[in-house]
Amino acid sequence: KAGVTQTPRYLIKTRGQQVTLSCSPISGHRSVSWYQQTPGQGLQFLFEYFSETQRNKGNFPGRFSGRQFSNSRSEMNVSTLELGDSALYLCASSLARFGQGEAFFGQGTRLTVV
Amino acid sequence: GENVEQHPSTLSVQEGDSAVIKCTYSDSASNYFPWYKQELGKGPQLIIDIRSNVGEKKDQRIAVTLNKTAKHFSLHITETQPEDSAVYFCAASIVGSEKLVFGKGTKLTVNP
Repeated sequence: KAGVTQTPRYLIKTRGQQVTLSCSPISGHRSVSWYQQTPGQGLQFLFEYFSETQRNKGNFPGRFSGRQFSNSRSEMNVSTLELGDSALYLCASSLARFGQGEAFFGQGTRLTVV
Repeated sequence: GENVEQHPSTLSVQEGDSAVIKCTYSDSASNYFPWYKQELGKGPQLIIDIRSNVGEKKDQRIAVTLNKTAKHFSLHITETQPEDSAVYFCAASIVGSEKLVFGKGTKLTVNP
């Protein structure tokens, strides 16, 4: 059974640009969550989608957005990149319909903003 | 909102010894507590979890305990091996939510 797949693995972008990251969840999983991981702030929740609807959102500016498609694949977008957006972006998928299912993470996308 | 504190931030043990990592949470509505292991260059891997209706759970060399009254939970690894070396994260989530609030992590080093 394939795990959570995130693409690309590495990205280098310039300040002011925008970026789109992709996540394919485990087959059958309909919940996809996104997290930002940095050395200073640790793992922080961005948002969660279930059946194409955003169910929960963390405390990040509106430059961070996401969406989920009918096949449960998800994308997140960061516009007007800032140096502080450099981080490992992790996607997790879960089977649970009502929350609190076991969440399985992908390997992440390492974003570097220069 | 929920806040999770994790201690210690680094832990070094000899192979074969036990390791204990402790976490406290602030929101009494939290009822799901997973633990993740993250190796260099990889995403976090779920190693064990516990729900608030259970006080202890074991899986081979790994165990987790939960004290709801004190709002803390702990990870116990027995007979540590060098391959247990990694960063371990505790997390908590409230009823009905997939949002996980993570501790800052513990870097465990198991010396041969």
